[in-house]
Amino acid sequence: NAGVTQTPKFQVLKTGQSMTLQCAQDMNHNSMYWYRQDPGMGLRLIYYSASEGTTDKGEVPNGYNVSRLNKREFSLRLESAAPSQTSVYFCASSEQEVAEAFFGQGTRLTVV
Amino acid sequence: DQQVKQNSPSLSVQEGRISILNCDYTNSMFDYFLWYKKYPAEGPTFLISISSIKDKNEDGRFTVFLNKSAKHLSLHIVPSQPGDSAVYFCAASGLSGSNYKLTFGKGTLLTVNP
Repeated sequence: NAGVTQTPKFQVLKTGQSMTLQCAQDMNHNSMYWYRQDPGMGLRLIYYSASEGTTDKGEVPNGYNVSRLNKREFSLRLESAAPSQTSVYFCASSEQEVAEAFFGQGTRLTVV
Repeated sequence: DQQVKQNSPSLSVQEGRISILNCDYTNSMFDYFLWYKKYPAEGPTFLISISSIKDKNEDGRFTVFLNKSAKHLSLHIVPSQPGDSAVYFCAASGLSGSNYKLTFGKGTLLTVNP
């Protein structure tokens, strides 16, 4: 039972490069989320998807795009990476109308 | 504007003693509160939660207390064990449509000394 799986686990990008962070869950959850964690900042919501085909902005969406490819997968894209996007990114999923979310292991991204 | 505040960045306790982690919130519309535990290089894992209609929820060594009038909640760990050493995040949410969005505090690093 894998839960929430994120790839890659680590990535180094040069400023201006693009990349997509992948997330898949096998719990048949409708809701999926992308968070970023920065030192002293806690976890901040970037985007979320309440169901397949829908996405909404969270607290810090600038510089990111998302795609809810199907019920299982929710990807996060950086079109032109900036050093300010150096962070640890977490994907999470939850059942509808249930607050408890399950998190992946995280992707540590460094933009140089 | 921080809606969920954990004012203590760190806490150190002795093994066997009680650990008390505190959390304050400003949004009276929150109706569900959670605590997550995070080890280095791992994702946060759900620990315990409480609905706003309750004032206490207990699960083994972990108890969460909610004081709605003070907009304050706390997590008690008794007895504390070295394996409890981790960052603890407080989170709060309200149901928006059919979806919860969690708002997290900045976290408290708990160190339990043997």
